[in-house]
Amino acid sequence: GAVVSQHPSRVICKSGTSVKIECRSLDFQATTMFWYRQFPKQSLMLMATSNEGSKATYEQGVEKDKFLINHASLTLSTLTVTSAHPEDSSFYICSAREGGTLYGYTFGSGTRLTVV
Amino acid sequence: GDSVTQMEGPVTLSEEAFLTINCTYTATGYPSLFWYVQYPGEGLQLLLKATKADDKGSNKGFEATYRKETTSFHLEKGSVQVSDSAVYFCALSESNFGNEKLTFGTGTRLTIIP
Repeated sequence: GAVVSQHPSRVICKSGTSVKIECRSLDFQATTMFWYRQFPKQSLMLMATSNEGSKATYEQGVEKDKFLINHASLTLSTLTVTSAHPEDSSFYICSAREGGTLYGYTFGSGTRLTVV
Repeated sequence: GDSVTQMEGPVTLSEEAFLTINCTYTATGYPSLFWYVQYPGEGLQLLLKATKADDKGSNKGFEATYRKETTSFHLEKGSVQVSDSAVYFCALSESNFGNEKLTFGTGTRLTIIP
C-alpha cells in the first residue's frame, strides 16, 4: 500500500532556531499534501494544504511566515517552523493524497517537536 | 461549516467486551465518512470508510454504518482485544474541487484491559 515517510520523528530545538520537517511519499505521486498539528489530547487541526508546484493554502489563524511549506516535487513536501518558540511544541503530522484518487489519504508517522 | 462530534473518552473496557464509539456530523453536502486509528507515537491509519448513505465500512472486526437520517457514523466492534488500545478519530470530507480536506473529531482514547 501507499507509504508516507515523515522525518524526523522527534526533534528538540532551542528557542529562536528553525526546524525543517520532511514528508515523502515513497511509492506514489502526491499531488496534494496536508499538514496537521495535534495538541495533547486534542484532535488534528489542519494547518495548510499544498499542491505540487504552487503556494500552500493556509487555514485561518495559521501564520504563513512562521510555518513555511514547500511542495517542490510530487514526492516531497517540507514544513519549516521558523524562529521556534516553546508554544510551537506539538505533534505535527503530514498527509498525502495520490493524484487521481479521491479520499486516498495516507498519513506520516508524525514529528514530535519540542522547543526549549 | 463542517464539524464532527465524537464521544468523549477515555473509554476503558475489558478484553472481549462490545465496543461502541459514537460519532455524529454536520455537513452542508454529502460527505464521505472515515474512522482513523492512532497507535501510541504513530501517525493515523485509515480504519474504515463509507462514501454514501447506508454504506457500511468494515475492517479488522470494526464496523460503522453511514446513517444520513441521524447524521451518524458510530464505530462498533463485537469483541475487543488488548491490541485495539489506541485513539480513534472520526472524520469527514466534503468534496470541494481541488481541496478534499478532512475534518476530524476530537478523538476517543480506548484502553482495553486483559
